[in-house]
Amino acid sequence: ETGVTQTPRHLVMGMTNKKSLKCEQHLGHNAMYWYKQSAKKPLELMFVYNFKEQTENNSVPSRFSPECPNSSHLFLHLHTLQPEDSALYLCASSQELGGNSPLHFGNGTRLTVT
Amino acid sequence: AQSVTQPDIHITVSEGASLELRCNYSYGATPYLFWYVQSPGQGLQLLLKYFSGDTLVQGIKGFEAEFKRSQSSFNLRKPSVHWSDAAEYFCAVSGGGYNKLIFGAGTRLAVHP
Repeated sequence: ETGVTQTPRHLVMGMTNKKSLKCEQHLGHNAMYWYKQSAKKPLELMFVYNFKEQTENNSVPSRFSPECPNSSHLFLHLHTLQPEDSALYLCASSQELGGNSPLHFGNGTRLTVT
Repeated sequence: AQSVTQPDIHITVSEGASLELRCNYSYGATPYLFWYVQSPGQGLQLLLKYFSGDTLVQGIKGFEAEFKRSQSSFNLRKPSVHWSDAAEYFCAVSGGGYNKLIFGAGTRLAVHP
């Protein structure tokens, strides 16, 4: 069982819909991340939170809106997405921000935008 | 800027054969290096990491990797591959005080019986 749980596992949405992805970590970590994994492209870091505060927005379009109400929960709110946003969205956590703090990943949400 | 190159997109080996997956990195100082594995429909799982010290590091599932500073490489090895090792493998580099991991594009491993 992974210490990082993502829901839903699969999501299909139209371009005019609004939906949210949820991530919960049970590891007592302080930092949480959203990554996008598209076919044939390297993993792309989207957002980073440390102690609930956003520390990085990696030039992500505003149709993606993150929310981190506490160190254990992370959301990604989606609206007016484009077909090219279809991808696997991975949540991760680490004990702290720092190069020697490995990431623990959830199993991802497979998003399809129609 | 940091970068990671995994030269092999796909590799196929026979079960029981040895395996080496290549990883080259670019980083100005001593990096933190990682290998992750992703099975179909799953997230990424940490196999092993190198921070400092012994340049040969042991990981889970019988994997090991060797840090070679002179070659800027961190290749992953396993002496005998099992069918369950079929997955995608990602090398990653980090450094400094901020955990901004840079991932390679991945190597997809297929295992023939």
